[in-house]
Amino acid sequence: GDSVTQTEGLVTLTEGLPVMLNCTYQTIYSNPFLFWYVQHLNESPRLLLKSFTDNKRTEHQGFHATLHKSSSSFHLQKSSAQLSDSALYYCAPGTGGYKVVFGSGTRLLVSP
Amino acid sequence: EAAVTQSPRNKVAVTGGKVTLSCNQTNNHNNMYWYRQDTGHGLRLIHYSYGAGSTEKGDIPDGYKASRPSQENFSLILELATPSQTSVYFCASGDGVVTEVFFGKGTRLTVV
Repeated sequence: GDSVTQTEGLVTLTEGLPVMLNCTYQTIYSNPFLFWYVQHLNESPRLLLKSFTDNKRTEHQGFHATLHKSSSSFHLQKSSAQLSDSALYYCAPGTGGYKVVFGSGTRLLVSP
Repeated sequence: EAAVTQSPRNKVAVTGGKVTLSCNQTNNHNNMYWYRQDTGHGLRLIHYSYGAGSTEKGDIPDGYKASRPSQENFSLILELATPSQTSVYFCASGDGVVTEVFFGKGTRLTVV
């Protein structure tokens, strides 16, 4: 079945440093949508950004990601981390079925 | 704004008891989902539904049943609750793979 792998469980950064959270996916669907969700403490997950266009950069709230179908990747990046970016981040593929699965999540902790 | 309402928000249950978690969405979405969230495991799909009357097993269905009596309502049922089912449960709704899913605020379940 469809799956997604997020390679880091915890990423700790100092404010101002760049952010990169990894996401790779597996699917037989030839035109997947990919989503990043963010969950702040004591809140529910919400959409951060999404993409379905190969090799096109998608941006939202200072974050960006590019879907690379050749490598099945959709890494999340930000040029300069802020304290308010501390949260749990989930990658999720939309792959042609009704089922929506999430990666295991990456916790980002940004310190002063 | 999509609205997904879960009840109760907090629940303490006894081992062996029956627990029903309810979810209501007002967005006329076809698809609804139940996830549990545990530290280190991310969001794991328990059951999902693609319309009234349908329920499908997700990745961790054992010990859970689901019911979708109408477009708006989707329940998760623990017939014989166990301490291992202590977790935070999220309901979500969506309208297909190209659109995001919208989460409720979650239910914190403690089985003692």
